[in-house]
Amino acid sequence: DAGITQSPRHKVTETGTPVTLRCHQTENHRYMYWYRQDPGHGLRLIHYSYGVKDTDKGEVSDGYSVSRSKTEDFLLTLESATSSQTSVYFCAISKTGPLSYEQYFGPGTRLTVT
Amino acid sequence: GQQVMQIPQYQHVQEGEDFTTYCNSSTTLSNIQWYKQRPGGHPVFLIQLVKSGEVKKQKRLTFQFGEAKKNSSLHITATQTTDVGTYFCALGGSQGNLIFGKGTKLSVKP
Repeated sequence: DAGITQSPRHKVTETGTPVTLRCHQTENHRYMYWYRQDPGHGLRLIHYSYGVKDTDKGEVSDGYSVSRSKTEDFLLTLESATSSQTSVYFCAISKTGPLSYEQYFGPGTRLTVT
Repeated sequence: GQQVMQIPQYQHVQEGEDFTTYCNSSTTLSNIQWYKQRPGGHPVFLIQLVKSGEVKKQKRLTFQFGEAKKNSSLHITATQTTDVGTYFCALGGSQGNLIFGKGTKLSVKP
């Protein structure tokens, strides 16, 4: 694949707790994305990054924040988890630029908020 | 915003039968991508189409982009159990992101 790892792979947390998901890549690609996947909705963009400390919001960004202090790491934080944030979260990278839609996905994190 | 509709939502076939999934848009698309996701896995890029009327083949898979660039299809000839999964079309968004259809879930009975 593209050297993308996500951690943790599975997490169960309680409503109201903060949660941070990590995406790590080994190839120093500039563009990284966070998607969530829910039944009946396909995958939807949460946030994306086009470089260190450069991030922007996607379609479903409410309740989420991101940070990118190093090229290789893109962190997704749920400030106060809610049951509606129970989902599978995928990180993706673009190898060839912002309008390259050939994206490579990490293995995903399954998050359950109880 | 732009979106794509995929049909059918589910398809059950006998091994060896053909399979087709369709992706439709009400607006003209500049590009369309196809991804496959195996059960429990992550989406994997299959192909990108950008030209009107474009047809691309990958072994038993044939991808088409409509003449008006408002629809696309993925056809699998003689399905195998390894084809099981969900097939997504996705258009490219202005943020460099992908806008996914809801997918067609393919099951293959041996």
